[in-house]
Amino acid sequence: DGGITQSPKYLFRKEGQNVTLSCEQNLNHDAMYWYRQDPGQGLRLIYYSQIVNDFQKGDIAEGYSVSREKKESFPLTVTSAQKNPTAFYLCASKRSAGGDTQYFGPGTRLTVL
Amino acid sequence: GQQVMQIPQYQHVQEGEDFTTYCNSSTTLSNIQWYKQRPGGHPVFLIQLVKSGEVKKQKRLTFQFGEAKKNSSLHITATQTTDVGTYFCAVGGSQGNLIFGKGTKLSVKP
Repeated sequence: DGGITQSPKYLFRKEGQNVTLSCEQNLNHDAMYWYRQDPGQGLRLIYYSQIVNDFQKGDIAEGYSVSREKKESFPLTVTSAQKNPTAFYLCASKRSAGGDTQYFGPGTRLTVL
Repeated sequence: GQQVMQIPQYQHVQEGEDFTTYCNSSTTLSNIQWYKQRPGGHPVFLIQLVKSGEVKKQKRLTFQFGEAKKNSSLHITATQTTDVGTYFCAVGGSQGNLIFGKGTKLSVKP
């Protein structure tokens, strides 16, 4: 997990604002993932990308958008349409879609004021 | 879709006591992974189990994969305060993602 960075670590947003969370990896991994974690809950998949310029919706994609213009970058935008955006957001990557171990970034804690 | 049930949700132990968390699936799994998340941190990969009946050890941690490949357990012997955190099992989804159990939060009283 040392090769994945997320910024910022903490983010505060006013209601009605869009905000973009950064995720960068230097592991040369093809596949990247965004998860959301709520207190006392497991991780739920928001979006994933198996290859550059391609991405797919996960289980809870509504109110979120992503892009994958570069192999090393997979930013997540939390839009104003997301009803309960306050959560801990985790980005992960792995060598390929068929690979096994996922490596996680340190996470971004988003709070909507 | 694929689901994995993990119990217990919380476990409070006295330092030195043992701890076990269990994961169960209704379907046969190709493999199962275990992660640890320290308070305020991110999940860190611990191990992957692939073979039926597999048992792997990492110091005081013992991981087991059931004979039918539908369940798994993580056992910690003689817990220490450094073991505090949430332990997750995870199984592979159809699109290369991981499907996580809800985790077992372990607290250790010194």
